[in-house]
Amino acid sequence: SYVLTQPPSVSVAPGKTARVTCGGNNIGSKSVHWYQQKPGQAPVLVIYYDSDRPSGIPERFSGSNSGNTATLTISRVEAGDEADYYCQVWDSGTYHVVFGGGTKLTVL
Amino acid sequence: QVQLVQSGAEVKKPGASVKVSCEASGYTFTGYYFHWVRQAPGQGLEWMGRINPNSGGTNYAQKFQGRVTMTRDTSISTAYMELRRLRFDDTAVYYCARAVTAGSSFDFWGQGTLVTVSS
Repeated sequence: SYVLTQPPSVSVAPGKTARVTCGGNNIGSKSVHWYQQKPGQAPVLVIYYDSDRPSGIPERFSGSNSGNTATLTISRVEAGDEADYYCQVWDSGTYHVVFGGGTKLTVL
Repeated sequence: QVQLVQSGAEVKKPGASVKVSCEASGYTFTGYYFHWVRQAPGQGLEWMGRINPNSGGTNYAQKFQGRVTMTRDTSISTAYMELRRLRFDDTAVYYCARAVTAGSSFDFWGQGTLVTVSS
């Protein structure tokens, strides 16, 4: 089965740029979606189809996907961005959805 | 506005079954797949499967094959997930979420239903 690998944690100072990676075999050939989850809340979609942003999501959130790594980039990080972030793909070979293990973003 | 409203928390004994509902409103029920995702305490998101509300067709994660059944009632715009032969490690928050196509993102999620398996 397809595996997505995320770093367990990323730390960043306020105002700086955070990058959360999602590794997978030839992930660049798949569409990657990203979710933000704050404690006690349901996940929220922040990036879809690699780099598109849903309405209401700040422009500070962006995404890219190439080769074996997809990346969620958060510019000018704010305290309110502190959350868990999950990447997700659709594995067309198995008709299954796959989530990465999640990355805890800490704002210092 | 789009809403997915799930049923309330459940406490079950090992070996029992649980059925969680997800009532949709604010859009055409049959226009989107329903997916079920669970999250054990302190753990990540785990995909369980999906149902096509139009046809009733399902795809289940291999881990849950034989133990889970996803159904829907189009007359009341509600999707259901039943998990049988519950174990202690099935304790989790269970979410429903919608997606317009097989490979698309989950743009709306239910609020989650806590299922606790305890003797």
